[in-house]
Amino acid sequence: QLVLTQSPSASASLGASVKLTCTLSSGHSSYAIAWHQQQPEKGPRYLMRLNSEGSHTKGDGIPDRFSGSSSGAERYLTISSLQSEDEADYYCQTWAAGRVVFGGGTKLTVL
Amino acid sequence: EVQLVESGGGLIQPGGSLRLSCAASGFTVSSNYMSWVRQAPGKGLEWVSVIYSGGTTYYADSVKGRFTISRDNSKNTLYLQMNSLRAEDTAVYYCARERDHSSSSGGMDVWGQGTTVTVSS
Repeated sequence: QLVLTQSPSASASLGASVKLTCTLSSGHSSYAIAWHQQQPEKGPRYLMRLNSEGSHTKGDGIPDRFSGSSSGAERYLTISSLQSEDEADYYCQTWAAGRVVFGGGTKLTVL
Repeated sequence: EVQLVESGGGLIQPGGSLRLSCAASGFTVSSNYMSWVRQAPGKGLEWVSVIYSGGTTYYADSVKGRFTISRDNSKNTLYLQMNSLRAEDTAVYYCARERDHSSSSGGMDVWGQGTTVTVSS
């Protein structure tokens, strides 16, 4: 069964870096994912598509501070030089024939 | 400008019906995979349904048999017909675009602002 697992919460200090993880279920380590950001009281925003080789394609206007990488079944979102507006929920998403799956989301707190 | 604008949400009694609309601009709905995604209060994102560019439709088990996704190519608009509504369908409903479901083009790259559906007596 295709499942994405994310830690419920993460925190990091203003100006620091943070690496969020999205883990694909067994047997699905070759799948690409997308990362989305949802700021408080706003709709989701597409950040990037990330494949199993670590190649990522960012959405329009997404700052260079956001980057993606991959290792095995894990997909990472790294945010550097954290700013207050980066405090948000981050969701990973993947897809297969006839379905779309979201991870449970990670709530990022900027200290 | 590439944009999606949802409408049609509101307060509806359990067992009732509602139709959501999602008007697209800046791209062609029928050339893309279009999904509905919902978010219950305080919860995460939940995929609801997708319509492929070829017209094939799929649904989450939680809404299968009750919801119908469709599109009007002449209006460049996506719809979600929701019947037999339940309290647990209460959520903000978003429409979103995907190019397809390949590893090189998948992922929801355009989102609407959402429309709120509240199912309550």
